[in-house]
Amino acid sequence: AQKVTQAQTEISVVEKEDVTLDCVYETRDTTYYLFWYKQPPSGELVFLIRRNSFDEQNEISGRYSWNFQKSTSSFNFTITASQVVDSAVYFCALSDSYIPTFGRGTSLIVHP
Amino acid sequence: EAQVTQNPRYLITVTGKKLTVTCSQNMNHEYMSWYRQDPGLGLRQIYYSMNVEVTDKGDVPEGYKVSRKEKRNFPLILESPSPNQTSLYFCASSLWTSGGTDTQYFGPGTRLTVL
Repeated sequence: AQKVTQAQTEISVVEKEDVTLDCVYETRDTTYYLFWYKQPPSGELVFLIRRNSFDEQNEISGRYSWNFQKSTSSFNFTITASQVVDSAVYFCALSDSYIPTFGRGTSLIVHP
Repeated sequence: EAQVTQNPRYLITVTGKKLTVTCSQNMNHEYMSWYRQDPGLGLRQIYYSMNVEVTDKGDVPEGYKVSRKEKRNFPLILESPSPNQTSLYFCASSLWTSGGTDTQYFGPGTRLTVL
């Protein structure tokens, strides 16, 4: 069975701080996909990234970066120089088929 | 503009009254899916579809039906809604390639209340 753990329920930072959101997963499959999503206070869901299990390269997209480490079954997400607009709930998800398992989410609050 | 549209955005209904939530995408995506989001239970997939006439159950399919008669449309049908189906529903679409990044697009969500 798949499992995704986002141990940080809520993180509070001040603008311009760097922040890392942790995601630890469990799966018995060797082929799987990892995802991150953002849900701002307005409620919509926004896709951020999809990574397959054979691609362990770190990814950087602007102020966002992702660190995928198979050895520790982690797929952590870092926001550099956080901004108030980054305030949202962030979900990590794992899929070894076409059915994803989501973590419970980390609420990020960025104070001005 | 790439988009997934969902209708209605808000719906209040009564137990047992059949309803359909529509979902349509304009990106020619093969993969479409429905999710529900509930406080304390998080996001869970209801059904997914890999292409026209190809649908399969997700984690919580009970009480729901779907169809995929055209590639762009993936309606969610509640034939006899019950209060435990009160939830926030999202439709999504994407490609699903083995190695690609495959951006996933979500509809704006449908907030359903079943009385």
